[in-house]
Amino acid sequence: KAGVTQTPRYLIKTRGQQVTLSCSPISGHRSVSWYQQTPGQGLQFLFEYFSETQRNKGNFPGRFSGRQFSNSRSEMNVSTLELGDSALYLCASSPHRENTGELFFGEGSRLTVL
Amino acid sequence: GESVGLHLPTLSVQEGDNSIINCAYSNSASDYFIWYKQESGKGPQFIIDIRSNMDKRQGQRVTVLLNKTVKHLSLQIAATQPGDSAVYFCAESVNDYKLSFGAGTTVTVRA
Repeated sequence: KAGVTQTPRYLIKTRGQQVTLSCSPISGHRSVSWYQQTPGQGLQFLFEYFSETQRNKGNFPGRFSGRQFSNSRSEMNVSTLELGDSALYLCASSPHRENTGELFFGEGSRLTVL
Repeated sequence: GESVGLHLPTLSVQEGDNSIINCAYSNSASDYFIWYKQESGKGPQFIIDIRSNMDKRQGQRVTVLLNKTVKHLSLQIAATQPGDSAVYFCAESVNDYKLSFGAGTTVTVRA
């Protein structure tokens, strides 16, 4: 079974630009979560989707948004990029519907903002 | 074993020894706890989890202990191997579809 796939793996943007990151969950997994990982803040929760509905959102500004499609694939978007948005963005999928359980992480998209 | 009690950002372990990685969690309402291992350039990988109705759970070479009284979680790795070198994260959840991660402990295995 293929794991969680994230694209692109690496990207470089400049301040003020926007970026879209993509995530394909493990087949059959309907929950998709996004996390931001930085050396200073560690792993921070961005949002979680299940069946195209956002069920929870972390404490990030409105520049960070996401969505999930009917095939469970997910995208996140960051608009008006700032230097501090440089991070590893991790997507995780889960087969669990009701309770938080094990999350299966992808290898991440490393964003550098110049 | 090493580093009982306190969370340390780094841990150096002799190959073959047992390792203990500690984690203090913040929310007394958390009912699910999980340990992840992250190797350089990779995403976090599941090690073991435990629900709040248990205080111990064992896996292959790993044991997780949960002390709800003092909000403490630990991961014990038996017979540490070079492949165990990584950053280890604990995480907690209150059944709100998200995990709250700790700061992580970097484990280095000495040959």
